[in-house]
Amino acid sequence: AQSVTQLDSHVSVSEGTPVLLRCNYSSSYSPSLFWYVQHPNKGLQLLLKYTSAATLVKGINGFEAEFKKSETSFHLTKPSAHMSDAAEYFCVVSRAYNTDKLIFGTGTRLQVFP
Amino acid sequence: IAGITQAPTSQILAAGRRMTLRCTQDMRHNAMYWYRQDLGLGLRLIHYSNTAGTTGKGEVPDGYSVSRANTDDFPLTLASAVPSQTSVYFCASSESGRENNEQFFGPGTRLTVL
Repeated sequence: AQSVTQLDSHVSVSEGTPVLLRCNYSSSYSPSLFWYVQHPNKGLQLLLKYTSAATLVKGINGFEAEFKKSETSFHLTKPSAHMSDAAEYFCVVSRAYNTDKLIFGTGTRLQVFP
Repeated sequence: IAGITQAPTSQILAAGRRMTLRCTQDMRHNAMYWYRQDLGLGLRLIHYSNTAGTTGKGEVPDGYSVSRANTDDFPLTLASAVPSQTSVYFCASSESGRENNEQFFGPGTRLTVL
């Protein structure tokens, strides 16, 4: 079975400060892990993905995430937040090399204050 | 058409009525999916289709049906809507069999059942 837990439902940061959105996963198989972003009243957009290659994954808009198997974590970070980063972020797990079914976390809403 | 389109954008529906949500993609992806998004629950898979002519049940299939007559279209039908089906519905597609399982999402349909 697979599951994903996003540890914070809301995160607030000031513009220009670092962002950390936490995600832990559980998987009986080698997982693929993703971060998706959803801006208000929009669909979801892929930020980055881990598929058993490099453990540090770089995505769009300056985001990156590190796969840590020993900690079963895949936290999303960005060195300096921008106002446009305010959105809902979803950590997602799927079974690598198998079906395309995704298991979504419950989401973290990121607020960025000027 | 570019990517995935969904129709309608939003709909208010009386309980007991039948409703079909439309989804069309032009990327020639084999796999398509329907999710519902509810506050605090993230996205949950309703039904999926790995290829034209086949469908499968996701996590929350009750009260919904789908068909996949061709590659491009994947309509979701509520035979007799109930208020608990009030949600935002997202259609997605992926190139089934690819290692990274990335899914591309439509803009969503906001459905209110009264």
